[in-house]
Order: sequence, then structure tokens, then C-alpha cells
Amino acid sequence: NAGVTQTPKFRILKIGQSMTLQCTQDMNHNYMYWYRQDPGMGLKLIYYSVGAGITDKGEVPNGYNVSRSTTEDFPLRLELAAPSQTSVYFCASSFLETGTSYEQYFGPGTRLTVT
Amino acid sequence: AQKITQTQPGMFVQEKEAVTLDCTYDTSDPSYGLFWYKQPSSGEMIFLIYQGSYDQQNATEGRYSLNFQKARKSANLVISASQLGDSAMYFCAMREPNTGNQFYFGTGTSLTVIP
Repeated sequence: NAGVTQTPKFRILKIGQSMTLQCTQDMNHNYMYWYRQDPGMGLKLIYYSVGAGITDKGEVPNGYNVSRSTTEDFPLRLELAAPSQTSVYFCASSFLETGTSYEQYFGPGTRLTVT
Repeated sequence: AQKITQTQPGMFVQEKEAVTLDCTYDTSDPSYGLFWYKQPSSGEMIFLIYQGSYDQQNATEGRYSLNFQKARKSANLVISASQLGDSAMYFCAMREPNTGNQFYFGTGTSLTVIP
């Protein structure tokens, strides 16, 4: 199992450009999440998905979009990049069912700089 | 109100000593999960330990134990016999079913182990 993979590892964007951060998991997890981590801070939830075709906003969704067409993939789209989106982005997945709670498995992160 | 509060931005501990990292949480959901993650300087998020709200006993995983005091809404992480490799950021997190099983993270505690 590769676990949770993210691409790219690093990216520099100019203000106003767009890009998609890719996330794939091979553990058949139903839940997937996107977080951002600003320097010296904890993780803030951007979007999450409870299964294919279902997505919902987290704490900081503005400026981002997601889709979940398959169980495995959960791409994060940045439209019109702004300097405030400079951050490290983590994708995570988890398997949740009634009566259980499993930890989140995290990808290695994508370090994004917008200049 | 903050869902997860970590009041210790930085902690120091002598090698081989025990250290307690504080975490308090806020939820009205009777069923929730509490997690601790370690983030070394390399940036990846590593799951350490999990405590369910209905678990009667404190969770333990090797040198990690979770001091769960439900009435006080605290979930402190205890690391016994600290090692140099324990130097990292530590994040407390909560999964809350009432908000769609979102995970909420604290701001973290930076632990430095002194030889």
C-alpha cells in the first residue's frame, strides 16, 4: 500500500494563476480531507468528503474547490491564487463507520508559495 | 470558542524523563474521538494515540499514554522515558460526529528533548 500520496511536493505560483493539488489513497477509506498548515500553526480544514460524490466545506474553504468522483481521488483546486494561500497543504484519509473511529492517515504535504 | 486548546507553545524535557503535554477540548457531542499526532521537522504527520469518549481506560501505546479526564474535558499526552527523537511538534485533535466527523486540531506544542 502506498497510503496517501500527494503531488506535487513543491510549487511556486504567481498571483492569479490556478492549479490542482492531487491526492490519492489506496486504502479504500471513505473519508478524505484537505488541510492547510500555516507556519507555526495547527491544521485548518479546507474541505472534506464522506464518500464519492459528496463534499462539504470545512473551516477555511474560500478560494478553493474540490471534487470526489472516485473513492481514491480527492483533488483540491486553487483558482486565482493569492499570497494568503501560501501554506503547506495536507491531504488525509480515514475509515469511519458507526461505533468505530480510526485515525487519519496523512500524505507528505505540498508546500505552495504564491508570489 | 476553540474546539481544541493547547496552552504550551514550547516544552523542554531532559532525556529519559517523562513529560506531559496538555490538551483541553470543547464539545457537546457525547461521542467523539481524541487523537495525538507528532510532526517532526521533516513535516509529516504521525499518528500516536487515540482515545474514544466512551473508553473506560486511558489509552496507551508503547511510551505514549493519554491521561483522559472526561469531566474536565482534558486529554493530556504523557511521554515516558523521553528520547532525542521525540523532539517535534505535537498536535492534539478531536473528531466530532455532530459536525460531519470533522477533525479539529490544536495549535501544537513544540517539544525539545535535552541530552
